Amino acid sequence: AQKVTQAQTEISVVEKEDVTLDCVYETRDTTYYLFWYKQPPSGELVFLIRRNSFDEQNEISGRYSWNFQKSTSSFNFTITASQVVDSAVYFCALNTDKLIFGTGTRLQVFP
Amino acid sequence: GAVVSQHPSWVICKSGTSVKIECRSLDFQATTMFWYRQFPKQSLMLMATSNEGSKATYEQGVEKDKFLINHASLTLSTLTVTSAHPEDSSFYICSAHRYEQYFGPGTRLTVT
Repeated sequence: AQKVTQAQTEISVVEKEDVTLDCVYETRDTTYYLFWYKQPPSGELVFLIRRNSFDEQNEISGRYSWNFQKSTSSFNFTITASQVVDSAVYFCALNTDKLIFGTGTRLQVFP
Repeated sequence: GAVVSQHPSWVICKSGTSVKIECRSLDFQATTMFWYRQFPKQSLMLMATSNEGSKATYEQGVEKDKFLINHASLTLSTLTVTSAHPEDSSFYICSAHRYEQYFGPGTRLTVT
């Protein structure tokens, strides 16, 4: 069975703090893709990153970084120096034969 | 590139009426489109997979007679919520597939 777990329901931080959003996935497939999406209050999903199962290289994009570890089936997302505009719900997703979303983590960044 | 639109962005309808939501891929052709539903403060759940020219494939628990999906062209898929009830009130999001899924902005449906 495919499953994505985001254990953190809500996180609150003060601006400029670093924050890590956890994602743990389950799949028996050897080929799959992992995603992170941001959903601001407007509701529109914003694509952040895609990783395939054969690429464990970590990635940094500006203030965002991702740590993919197949050994622990985790794909964690870190925002450094958080900003108020980062406030949103963040979804981790797993794509094998279909796209399965985690339950999301609501991030609130206070000034 | 890879822009997906949805229309309307929000709709209010009375219980018992039907509502049609359109999903268009504006700058690419998509043989496959997907429909998701998101209840408040919950995750996105796949409702159905829509393939151009064929019948949609519905996920378990989704009533195909209630949620009619038509994918008549490579750029347009429609979701019709028939005989809508208040419990159908939700945020409906479509995506169009080209190498990966590109999401529309969503349609907020409120049934009174």
